[in-house]
Order: sequence, then structure tokens, then C-alpha cells
Amino acid sequence: ETGVTQSPTHLIKTRGQQVTLRCSSQSGHNTVSWYQQALGQGPQFIFQYYREEENGRGNFPPRFSGLQFPNYSSELNVNALELDDSALYLCASSLAWGGRRNTEAFFGQGTRLTVV
Amino acid sequence: AQSVAQPEDQVNVAEGNPLTVKCTYSVSGNPYLFWYVQYPNRGLQFLLKYITGDNLVKGSYGFEAEFNKSQTSFHLKKPSALVSDSALYFCAVRDRERDDKIIFGKGTRLHILP
Repeated sequence: ETGVTQSPTHLIKTRGQQVTLRCSSQSGHNTVSWYQQALGQGPQFIFQYYREEENGRGNFPPRFSGLQFPNYSSELNVNALELDDSALYLCASSLAWGGRRNTEAFFGQGTRLTVV
Repeated sequence: AQSVAQPEDQVNVAEGNPLTVKCTYSVSGNPYLFWYVQYPNRGLQFLLKYITGDNLVKGSYGFEAEFNKSQTSFHLKKPSALVSDSALYFCAVRDRERDDKIIFGKGTRLHILP
């Protein structure tokens, strides 16, 4: 177990709706990253939060937004859902700028989002 | 911007034979390189990493990887494959000198044939 938990594990939404996914980071980590993994694809970087501020973003539209809280937990919000948003959403926590020892990210089990 | 390429969608290996899963990368500075494994309907599990030092790094479940700076490669290897090694494998790179985000390859599906 990585210590990173995501909720819910599965979710079905209708096109046009909004969704919030949650992630609890591993203790001691200050950075959380979100990834979208479509079926048969590698994880695509959505954005990263460090100390409650977004400090990196991939090629995703503004309707994908996030928050990081003082306890380093995080939310991913997606507005105006589209069918192509159906995917596994992965949260990863890590220690940013932590030198050479603490470099890898640890992933949660993911949230499977289906948009119908 | 950093990028990772995994040229093989699928690799088939007979049980007991050595396996190699290929990865090449592009990053502006010194790379931090990783391998992760994903089993069906699960998140990604960390296998091993290269940060600095010895070019051959050892990780979980008997896997190892060889860093080659001149070829910008970081191939995953195992001397003797097990059926339970069948899974999806991802190579990733972290650019600590630039934006510190981790970028993944598209993945390689490894099939170990009994």
C-alpha cells in the first residue's frame, strides 16, 4: 500500500455534469499530481499542486481544475463533462524539490469515471 | 519539454527467459528516471529509479534497469521472467531542474508465456 487514497473508486456521470474527485496524499508529501489514463494509454499529466498552488499543467482545458488543501489532500474538478472524459483518474503524491532521495511519486488506486 | 518513448506496444517472452522492455527519454537537464508497473484496474506501482551513480539499478521483484546516457535509454530488464510479471509497464522521467513534473511513456504490455 502506498498511503495514497482516492475516492470514489467508481463514478458514473451524465454528459454536461460536473464531478469532484478526491485524493489523500501520503504523509510527509507536499506535492500532488493528477493524471488521466484512457483505456490502453499511458497516464497523461493534467496538473500538479505544490503548497496549495498549481505549479505545472498539461494540455487540458480550463474546465479541469484543482485544489490542494493545507493538509496536502487534493481535489480534481471537471466541469461540463464530455464523453471523452471517461477514463481512470490517478492521483500521485511526492516530495517536490526533495533532493535525490525522495524522488518517486506514489499513486492511489484511481477513480474510474464513466461519462454517459 | 521532457518526453518518454516506449517503442514497443507489447513484448512476449517465454517463462524463464530474460526480458527487456525498452525506454528512451528526452530531458533538458539531468534526468530522474523511473519504471512503474500497473496490474488490471489498479494504480501504478513503483519498481525502480535512476538518480545518479551506478548505471545499473536494481528494484522490486528482481527487476533491474540500465541507464545509458549516450543513447538516452533506460531499458528495464529481468534475467528470468515469471508468468506473474505479465502486466503493463511504464517508463517515466522527472525534470528536477525545470518544473519537477513526472511524464510517462505510453506503456508496454508484457506477456510472459508459460
